[in-house]
Amino acid sequence: AQSVTQLDSHVSVSEGTPVLLRCNYSSSYSPSLFWYVQHPNKGLQLLLKYTSAATLVKGINGFEAEFKKSETSFHLTKPSAHMSDAAEYFCVVSAPGAGGTSYGKLTFGQGTILTVHP
Amino acid sequence: EAQVTQNPRYLITVTGKKLTVTCSQNMNHEYMSWYRQDPGLGLRQIYYSMNVEVTDKGDVPEGYKVSRKEKRNFPLILESPSPNQTSLYFCASSVYRGSLHGYTFGSGTRLTVV
Repeated sequence: AQSVTQLDSHVSVSEGTPVLLRCNYSSSYSPSLFWYVQHPNKGLQLLLKYTSAATLVKGINGFEAEFKKSETSFHLTKPSAHMSDAAEYFCVVSAPGAGGTSYGKLTFGQGTILTVHP
Repeated sequence: EAQVTQNPRYLITVTGKKLTVTCSQNMNHEYMSWYRQDPGLGLRQIYYSMNVEVTDKGDVPEGYKVSRKEKRNFPLILESPSPNQTSLYFCASSVYRGSLHGYTFGSGTRLTVV
């Protein structure tokens, strides 16, 4: 079984300050991990992904995330927030392995709403 | 442009009146899936399809039906909608289930059942 916990339902930052969105996962095997962003009234857009290559993953719009197996974490960061970053962010785990009904199943975290103040 | 197209974007209906939400992708993806999004619960999978004529239940399939007669289309059918199906629905597609390229999502359908 796998699960994802996003530790903060809401995060508020000022423009120009760092962003940290926290995500912990649980998986029986080494998972693939994703961060998606959802702007108001829009669909979900892939920000970045971890697929067992480099543990520090760079995504679009200046975001990056670090996979830490020992801490079962995949936190999303950005050095300097922009007003356009205001959105809801989802951490997602994909079950690994070949075959079986659970293979490739996506499990979503509950979401973190990021607010950016001027 | 590669995309997943859902229609309608907004729908208000009455309890028990059958409705269909359409989903179409132009990327020749094998895998398609429906999710519902509710506050505080993230996205939960309703049904998925590995390929044409192959569909299976996700985590919350009760009250929904799907079909996959063509590769590009994956409609979601609510035979007798109820108020607890008021939600934001997303269709997604991928080259295959578990693709490391991630999933492409539609823009969503906000359904209200009164």
